[in-house]
Amino acid sequence: AQSVTQPDIHITVSEGASLELRCNYSYGATPYLFWYVQSPGQGLQLLLKYFSGDTLVQGIKGFEAEFKRSQSSFNLRKPSVHWSDAAEYFCAVGAANTGNQFYFGTGTSLTVIP
Amino acid sequence: DADVTQTPRNRITKTGKRIMLECSQTKGHDRMYWYRQDPGLGLRLIYYSFDVKDINKGEISDGYSVSRQAQAKFSLSLESAIPNQTALYFCATSDSRAGSSYNEQFFGPGTRLTVL
Repeated sequence: AQSVTQPDIHITVSEGASLELRCNYSYGATPYLFWYVQSPGQGLQLLLKYFSGDTLVQGIKGFEAEFKRSQSSFNLRKPSVHWSDAAEYFCAVGAANTGNQFYFGTGTSLTVIP
Repeated sequence: DADVTQTPRNRITKTGKRIMLECSQTKGHDRMYWYRQDPGLGLRLIYYSFDVKDINKGEISDGYSVSRQAQAKFSLSLESAIPNQTALYFCATSDSRAGSSYNEQFFGPGTRLTVL
């Protein structure tokens, strides 16, 4: 069965520190992988996506993620966190052969302290 | 994202009432989706539609129904609302045609529904 696991429910980092949010997936077919961010009271905004090719993908707002097939992981990283990065982050997996159904993780809430 | 709009943005209703949430999009996308978001559970798919005549149940369709009135409009109905349907509801769209945004889903701002 398809599933996405985000092991960290909540993370707190200091402004300027590096960040890594973990995502593990279980999917039988070739996965398309996504990271979305949700600011308080807002909808979801796409940060980055992986379809194929280079396993290190760059996104908006200075985020990047690396697809590791052997570990079934797609972790999100940022070298230096800004206070405005405080939000909820969701990893999702989807595939065209299932009608583009998305399966979302439960989310990681990020707090940034000055 | 102004391209996907949801109405109403907030709604409080009572148990047993019928309620409809509406979603419209100007992206020209063929596929539309309804999700609900609950704290600690992430987003779960309720229904999805590939085109006007193709509607499919998602993970948690019980207690919900949908209508795809046109390519640009996809409504979610709760025939008899119950308190555990209190949640944040999101509409999303995607484009089945090949392209750089293929498979990406674009989300509306959400509707916060409270059932008393």
